Amino acid sequence: GENVEQHPSTLSVQEGDSAVIKCTYSDSASNYFPWYKQELGKRPQLIIDIRSNVGEKKDQRIAVTLNKTAKHFSLHITETQPEDSAVYFCAATVSQKLVFGQGTRLTINP
Amino acid sequence: GAVVSQHPSWVICKSGTSVKIECRSLDFQATTMFWYRQFPKQSLMLMATSNEGSKATYEQGVEKDKFLINHASLTLSTLTVTSAHPEDSSFYICSARGRGGQPQHFGDGTRLSIL
Repeated sequence: GENVEQHPSTLSVQEGDSAVIKCTYSDSASNYFPWYKQELGKRPQLIIDIRSNVGEKKDQRIAVTLNKTAKHFSLHITETQPEDSAVYFCAATVSQKLVFGQGTRLTINP
Repeated sequence: GAVVSQHPSWVICKSGTSVKIECRSLDFQATTMFWYRQFPKQSLMLMATSNEGSKATYEQGVEKDKFLINHASLTLSTLTVTSAHPEDSSFYICSARGRGGQPQHFGDGTRLSIL
């Protein structure tokens, strides 16, 4: 089955700097890769997603890149702000089911 | 659009009690609903997948007689934790997906505490 590895588990950056979170997946049939932001005790919120026919997608300060050959994808957050502090999860899907990474606790230091 | 409502948000009950959690898609038809469990500081683990009108498909290691799932309509799925014990205490989250496929839309989650 699918296995998704996410790194780092924790990340601390200065406000205004960029943050990068990386994920690898095992199943070459995976075709959809969403990223979720989860604040404590709340639902995961979809922040960006990418499909396997695209290499990069950007939405304002957030971007995702996908390397199908290497089976890894990354989340890039630029000009980080305190409200970006949360836990971020990557996921990959095959056969319609999402498999989540372990999560990254991102802390933005003012 | 694509709002998923989950109820209740928080349950505290005694060991041995059965607890029902509802997941509703408010503005779209959810052909598929998913139930996840999340322990503190851990990731979301898929428990089961349910399609409207058919039996749920459970992930390996999840007891189907313990976690009863019903997806009776295109807008409602329920998870019943039967004879709950302290080790069942967790954050349970549902998600729903419409006919168009991804993405999944998540409910607010239910924090279940078994005393």
